[in-house]
Amino acid sequence: GAVVSQHPSWVICKSGTSVKIECRSLDFQATTMFWYRQFPKQSLMLMATSNEGSKATYEQGVEKDKFLINHASLTLSTLTVTSAHPEDSSFYICSARRTAGVGYNQPQHFGDGTRLSIL
Amino acid sequence: QQQVKQSPQSLIVQKGGISIINCAYENTAFDYFPWYQQFPGKGPALLIAIRPDVSEKKEGRFTISFNKSAKQFSLHIMDSQPGDSATYFCAAGPGTSGSARQLTFGSGTQLTVLP
Repeated sequence: GAVVSQHPSWVICKSGTSVKIECRSLDFQATTMFWYRQFPKQSLMLMATSNEGSKATYEQGVEKDKFLINHASLTLSTLTVTSAHPEDSSFYICSARRTAGVGYNQPQHFGDGTRLSIL
Repeated sequence: QQQVKQSPQSLIVQKGGISIINCAYENTAFDYFPWYQQFPGKGPALLIAIRPDVSEKKEGRFTISFNKSAKQFSLHIMDSQPGDSATYFCAAGPGTSGSARQLTFGSGTQLTVLP
């Protein structure tokens, strides 16, 4: 099955530092990747849609200057949390959709998430 | 109009029993309905998905029932096992018509299967 790798799986850092999270589709090309945030015992909240070779589309209320997204290739998207603060502590999950022809809906495959803890 | 309502919030079932989780949607543009299973500390894993041209889809012990007129769909887990204990999310999204093809997720159901 399709594999999406997310790295790191857990990061602890001091307030004010920037943290980069990588999302890779290992065995397929993904034109579109999605970044979610999940608080304990809550659902997934879509933060942004990452499109290869173009700017990401951010959901309402998500600061694009705070959460920088880069999708430079068909297999890699990165999320950088800039100047992270304790309130940014959360579980961040990416997903990727296999690039397919027009008219065919491919499922989203999720990475295992990154637990971010800001001290 | 983008909401997907999921119930129950939590469910406790005896081993061997049937687990039933329900979802309802509002947006008639949705035509792709997946279910995801999530274990603690892990990302969601696609379990089974259905499109509205069928009313039921079965894969092993997992069945999706779909009622297009009522805009409802449900997940049935037959012969539930302790290993099925996880959080289940329903989702809905546009199929071929959606340019971004985003998914809207339900609030999740915490399933506990007692041994």
